[in-house]
Amino acid sequence: EDKVVQSPLSLVVHEGDTVTLNCSYEVTNFRSLLWYKQEKKAPTFLFMLTSSGIEKKSGRLSSILDKKELFSILNITATQTGDSAVYLCAKGGSEKLVFGKGTKLTVNP
Amino acid sequence: DTAVSQTPKYLVTQMGNDKSIKCEQNLGHDTMYWYKQDSKKFLKIMFSYNNKELIINETVPNRFSPKSPDKAHLNLHINSLELGDSAVYFCASSQVTGGATDTQYFGPGTRLTVL
Repeated sequence: EDKVVQSPLSLVVHEGDTVTLNCSYEVTNFRSLLWYKQEKKAPTFLFMLTSSGIEKKSGRLSSILDKKELFSILNITATQTGDSAVYLCAKGGSEKLVFGKGTKLTVNP
Repeated sequence: DTAVSQTPKYLVTQMGNDKSIKCEQNLGHDTMYWYKQDSKKFLKIMFSYNNKELIINETVPNRFSPKSPDKAHLNLHINSLELGDSAVYFCASSQVTGGATDTQYFGPGTRLTVL
């Protein structure tokens, strides 16, 4: 069965902290690893990773994939209250995405 | 212009009723999806259609029937609603290349409450 495991399940930090979110997956049918941010409504796309060791960056967010150890991390530096959300990781490989249960990040002022 | 839109945004109904949710995408994608997100925020695929053909049906009760009149629309009809159907239902679309999905774009969700 496809499995995507995210950790931690929840995280509370103060503004300005740096956080690292983890995602591990099973190798079956793997083609890509995606990160989404979900605030109150729909998940919004952050990154898609297909190659090992190549960091993708967007402002204070960055992500990297390790296809040998079957995991990905999402880093957020200098966190702000607007980063509070559930961060979802998904494995793409066939016609569907398999999602993890998400990491709920709360950034306090 | 909204890329993936759903109607209605909220739906409150009694147990036993039949209801429909509509989804439209203007991204030109060939594949559309329905997901269910429960109260613990776990997002699980229900159905996928590629060019109006059903390609994924993830062990969903047959009270749920998707219909795709064309590749830009995917509707979800639910018969005999039950309390456990209460959830947020998301529609998504993507381009499928070489048998694998690329980035999926989500609609705003429909919050269904069954009383």
